[in-house]
Amino acid sequence: NAGVTQTPKFRILKIGQSMTLQCTQDMNHNYMYWYRQDPGMGLKLIYYSVGAGITDKGEVPNGYNVSRSTTEDFPLRLELAAPSQTSVYFCASSSTLDRGLFGPGTRLTVL
Amino acid sequence: GQSLEQPSEVTAVEGAIVQINCTYQTSGFYGLSWYQQHDGGAPTFLSYNALDGLEETGRFSSFLSRSDSYGYLLLQELQMKDSASYFCAVMIGDNFNKFYFGSGTKLNVKP
Repeated sequence: NAGVTQTPKFRILKIGQSMTLQCTQDMNHNYMYWYRQDPGMGLKLIYYSVGAGITDKGEVPNGYNVSRSTTEDFPLRLELAAPSQTSVYFCASSSTLDRGLFGPGTRLTVL
Repeated sequence: GQSLEQPSEVTAVEGAIVQINCTYQTSGFYGLSWYQQHDGGAPTFLSYNALDGLEETGRFSSFLSRSDSYGYLLLQELQMKDSASYFCAVMIGDNFNKFYFGSGTKLNVKP
């Protein structure tokens, strides 16, 4: 199993640009999550999903959108990038009452 | 909302024992997890407590007291490679499993 994979690893965006961060897991986990981590801080939950077709907002959803058309994929969309969205983005998945397995992260800079 | 408190930084010497505390205020509490994160890396799961008491996994142990909304991570026989940030995370399980993270404790292990 590859676990949780994220692409791209790094990205620089200009203000106002859009992009999609990709996340795929091959463990058939129902639960998937997107977090952001600012330098020296903890992780903040952006969005989560409990299965294909079901998503909901976390603590900091503004400026982001998600979709879950399959169990494996959970892409995160930034529509109008702002400097405040400069962060490291982690995708994670888990099964019921289990640990969260994290992907390697995407380092995003908005200039 | 959720709030978690843990010390920002702890320093210990190689071979020693260190305890990292975590207090939380939350609703719909399911369990408390601990994650390790090395600089530039992804969080990795260490332990999960759903019931009161001590869970031991090798050199690491984790404790939970639900009545006190308190837990700790105990690291024994510290090694240089244990230098990392450690995060406690509450799992909220009203309908869906969601993890909310503390701000992290940076552990510095010195020779």
